[in-house]
Amino acid sequence: SAVISQKPSRDICQRGTSLTIQCQVDSQVTMMFWYRQQPGQSLTLIATANQGSEATYESGFVIDKFPISRPNLTFSTLTVSNMSPEDSSIYLCSVQTSGEETQYFGPGTRLLVL
Amino acid sequence: GENVEQHPSTLSVQEGDSAVIKCTYSDSASNYFPWYKQELGKRPQLIIDIRSNVGEKKDQRIAVTLNKTAKHFSLHITETQPEDSAVYFCAASSNTGRRALTFGSGTRLQVQP
Repeated sequence: SAVISQKPSRDICQRGTSLTIQCQVDSQVTMMFWYRQQPGQSLTLIATANQGSEATYESGFVIDKFPISRPNLTFSTLTVSNMSPEDSSIYLCSVQTSGEETQYFGPGTRLLVL
Repeated sequence: GENVEQHPSTLSVQEGDSAVIKCTYSDSASNYFPWYKQELGKRPQLIIDIRSNVGEKKDQRIAVTLNKTAKHFSLHITETQPEDSAVYFCAASSNTGRRALTFGSGTRLQVQP
C-alpha cells in the first residue's frame, strides 16, 4: 500500500487564523480525499481533491472555508480558513489507487483552535 | 446520498468470546464495504473488506458477511484478545460516481482480559 504522510501532525491555532495541511503520497494515486473526524466521532468527508480541477465538496462544506489544492498525483493541501473552536478536529487525507476501491489513510493532523 | 448505520455503539466482551458488529446501508449502488480499526490516537486501518459479488469473506479470526437484499453487512471477530480493543468503523462506497467512503458511527469494542 502507499505510504502517506501529513504535515503538520498537530497544531494549536488562534481563532481567525488559517492553517494549511499537506498530504504527500510516495506513489501516484488516482483519488485523494479529505475527511474530518471530530473528537469521539466518525469520519465525515469534506471533499474529493481532483487533480487539475476544483475539488468536489460535500454538503455542508464550502470552498471558501476549506480550499483544497491538488497540483499533481502525489500531493494535496487542505486549508482550514478563518478558524473557530468548532474546527478543532482531526483532519485526515486518504488515497485510492487506480483500479482499486481500497482507501488508505494518512496519519492525520490534530488541530486545536483556541 | 448514502447513509450507513452501525450498531452497537459500544461492545464489551470477555477475552476469548466472539464479537459481532452490524451495519446497514441505504444506497443500492454501493458495492464495496470495508471495515476499519482505529486505535486511540492512530489512523483508521483497513482490517477486511468485501465486495457485493461475495457473500462472506474470512481472514483468520475476522470475517465479514454481506446480505445485499437486506442491505446489511456484519463484522465477526472470534477468539477476541485484549489487543482487539479499539473503535471499529464500517463504511460503504460505489466504484462509480462519488467513490468516497460513507462511514458508520463506530463501535467501541472493549475486550476484558
